[in-house]
Amino acid sequence: ETGVTQTPRHLVMGMTNKKSLKCEQHLGHNAMYWYKQSAKKPLELMFVYSLEERVENNSVPSRFSPECPNSSHLFLHLHTLQPEDSALYLCASSKAGGTWTEAFFGQGTRLTVV
Amino acid sequence: AQSVTQPDIHITVSEGASLELRCNYSYGATPYLFWYVQSPGQGLQLLLKYFSGDTLVQGIKGFEAEFKRSQSSFNLRKPSVHWSDAAEYFCAVGATAGGGADGLTFGKGTHLIIQP
Repeated sequence: ETGVTQTPRHLVMGMTNKKSLKCEQHLGHNAMYWYKQSAKKPLELMFVYSLEERVENNSVPSRFSPECPNSSHLFLHLHTLQPEDSALYLCASSKAGGTWTEAFFGQGTRLTVV
Repeated sequence: AQSVTQPDIHITVSEGASLELRCNYSYGATPYLFWYVQSPGQGLQLLLKYFSGDTLVQGIKGFEAEFKRSQSSFNLRKPSVHWSDAAEYFCAVGATAGGGADGLTFGKGTHLIIQP
């Protein structure tokens, strides 16, 4: 039990599909992150939300669209993906503000684009 | 720009032997430093962190790390490894504890193999 739950754990989608990844945290945090983990590459930050406002998108292609409806939930909407988007997508949360806390990660969604 | 280098892609250690995983960072200010561990098919679990104060920090599972500012290093150590320590280990640096608006910058990871 990590306190950060991601669903689904595995997803296979075609290049023309639309799907969404979901992340939920039960830690009372107010900052949430999406990271991408590809083989042989370091984890890459995709998006940051602090207090439900997006503060960083790190030049991510528009086929990835984040949504943060409240401080406990984070979504990553996917459409017209490419095979190179296949990766492990990790969600993390932390407490933002005067004293930030360390980031806690979910178990990830393994995405395969076919 | 901040960066993290983990020079060892793979390390093989015999069970019961000592372990040291290397991490060098580049950061313009006082860094927040972390070691995370990832088992196959899993997310990242925080092993330990350094924010300030004592440069030798203790973590979970018997791990420790030492911050050496002069060498820009934050090496992870364990005196005696167990087969369950086999995993991928990531060093990370950030501007704040959670990474803040820039998130955390990770190294490429070190894959630890434990020999019986």
